[in-house]
Amino acid sequence: DTEVTQTPKHLVMGMTNKKSLKCEQHMGHRAMYWYKQKAKKPPELMFVYSYEKLSINESVPSRFSPECPNSSLLNLHLHALQPEDSALYLCASSRMGPQREAFFGQGTRLTVV
Amino acid sequence: GENVEQHPSTLSVQEGDSAVIKCTYSDSASNYFPWYKQELGKGPQLIIDIRSNVGEKKDQRIAVTLNKTAKHFSLHITETQPEDSAVYFCAATYSGGGADGLTFGKGTHLIIQP
Repeated sequence: DTEVTQTPKHLVMGMTNKKSLKCEQHMGHRAMYWYKQKAKKPPELMFVYSYEKLSINESVPSRFSPECPNSSLLNLHLHALQPEDSALYLCASSRMGPQREAFFGQGTRLTVV
Repeated sequence: GENVEQHPSTLSVQEGDSAVIKCTYSDSASNYFPWYKQELGKGPQLIIDIRSNVGEKKDQRIAVTLNKTAKHFSLHITETQPEDSAVYFCAATYSGGGADGLTFGKGTHLIIQP
């Protein structure tokens, strides 16, 4: 099973709303990632969690707040977003170390109005 | 940081012909090079990868080659089929003891003409 499950699939939120994106994997992977993908662009790394600890933050604005409650779950809390934050948000997971195949979820299509 | 260039941005081939997509990377420390296929409305799907201690890897109709000296790697798809139509991304990273994210190329829109 190489499945990474993201919920919700679609989300529309206002600029004053607070919402959360969720990601789950049961492959025993101890590295989890958030990427942002704008239309017709490649995915761009936002955050990396290693053993449930934040290890990389690619200078992401504080209105995006990641959380890793346990080794299977990854959340992205959203607050006071701007319309330019509208994008496909992708979660991925991988093993630690050299066997680094990363598996992606289907993404959450976020629209900020 | 790593920078990955990918060409061409669009590739149209006749069904049954071969397709080649090329990437270059900048960071000589990068040692892991995956390729992803992304269909409309879906997340990227890993289709093949190669590590820097290997020059070529094949999986049925798909092959990847790596030239470490020139910092080039390429995806080759033979006997293309309509279901191969998608956007393909190359990526690079350093794969050591920790976890680092992937740096992606800009993508190639592959169109298979019937």
